[in-house]
Amino acid sequence: DSGVTQTPKHLITATGQRVTLRCSPRSGDLSVYWYQQSLDQGLQFLIQYYNGEERAKGNILERFSAQQFPDLHSELNLSSLELGDSALYFCASSVGQGYTEAFFGQGTRLTVV
Amino acid sequence: GDSVTQMEGPVTLSEEAFLTINCTYTATGYPSLFWYVQYPGEGLQLLLKATKADDKGSNKGFEATYRKETTSFHLEKGSVQVSDSAVYFCALPSLYNTDKLIFGTGTRLQVFP
Repeated sequence: DSGVTQTPKHLITATGQRVTLRCSPRSGDLSVYWYQQSLDQGLQFLIQYYNGEERAKGNILERFSAQQFPDLHSELNLSSLELGDSALYFCASSVGQGYTEAFFGQGTRLTVV
Repeated sequence: GDSVTQMEGPVTLSEEAFLTINCTYTATGYPSLFWYVQYPGEGLQLLLKATKADDKGSNKGFEATYRKETTSFHLEKGSVQVSDSAVYFCALPSLYNTDKLIFGTGTRLQVFP
């Protein structure tokens, strides 16, 4: 158990819908990262938050957004969903800024039908 | 830009066979290097790491040596077990944002009894 909790584990939704994925980082970790894992793109970094503020953006679509709340949990919002958004979405957390070991959650498998 | 190249999978071995999964990288400078493992249905776990050239990371019988001459970080294990069946990812931090991990495409290992 990495200590990073993601909910829900599975999500099935229709095209055009909006979903929210939730991540609770390990106790004491201030950084939260979101990654997307798909068969054709592999593991792609989406976005990082540190202590409530956005720190880095990767290949995140405009239809996607995220935030980190004062209690340090994070949510990834995916809207106007398309079939191609079907993927495994991972959250990871680490202690601070600059690279330190990141601990990954078990992921949320999103299926868009 | 920084990148990681891994050998294509799947790698299929019998129990107790020797394992090598190749990983080469392109990077400016000498970043830390990581191997992550993803067991079926689970998130990624850090398997081992090396922080500077010539370092050897090791864990659970796996080893990888950071070789700057060949820009490689090959993963090896002398005797694999069925329980090692998983997907293995080589990774390094982005030069421009060391919080962001750049992953290889992953190599699936299947070990049969």
